Amino acid sequence: NAGVMQNPRHLVRRRGQEARLRCSPMKGHSHVYWYRQLPEEGLKFMVYLQKENIIDESGMPKERFSAEFPKEGPSILRIQQVVRGDSAAYFCASSPLGRSRSYNEQFFGPGTRLTVL
Amino acid sequence: DAKTTQPPSMDCAEGRAANLPCNHSTISGNEYVYWYRQIHSQGPQYIIHGLKNNETNEMASLIITEDRKSSTLILPHATLRDTAVYYCIVRVARLGEFQGAQKLVFGQGTRLTINP
Repeated sequence: NAGVMQNPRHLVRRRGQEARLRCSPMKGHSHVYWYRQLPEEGLKFMVYLQKENIIDESGMPKERFSAEFPKEGPSILRIQQVVRGDSAAYFCASSPLGRSRSYNEQFFGPGTRLTVL
Repeated sequence: DAKTTQPPSMDCAEGRAANLPCNHSTISGNEYVYWYRQIHSQGPQYIIHGLKNNETNEMASLIITEDRKSSTLILPHATLRDTAVYYCIVRVARLGEFQGAQKLVFGQGTRLTINP
């Protein structure tokens, strides 16, 4: 039973480029969450999505950041015109729909480490 | 979400029980206590959660005081692999029956170091 998958694991971009981070939730999970961890800081919630819907984007920066979770395929976190302050670890988590033993839990992926030069 | 207070760091000898405290004096009646940990740059890992009764699973035990204003996570026989940052989080279980788990609001956690 594969866990949450994220790719790439490491991503290097120059200032002004675009970064695309992918997250495939666990099988049977239809809820995806993105968190960011800046160097030496705690994890901060960014956005919560269901298939084709953004449920809560209260943690997303107002500009340059967007997220989607299409009907088919992985969830994408997109950062346009990256700046050095975007350098961080980006974690994706998923949770199942409906009542199951683990329905309150979020299962995290290994993260994508973005470095902006 | 209710705020939690945890000591910034703790040490424990390998093989001994590690007891990690958490204060959550403003917890509401419908909020659960969750524990996650993050082992060096990996994704956070769920450990355990509870509402008001003590809970135990294969990883740990969770002791919640009767007034629910504080709790303790117990790792009964700590190993070097338990060295991590441990996060105590309180939140409602779900947004709704057909909705996902509520977002996690991480504090600074407790950096637990298991010493050989």
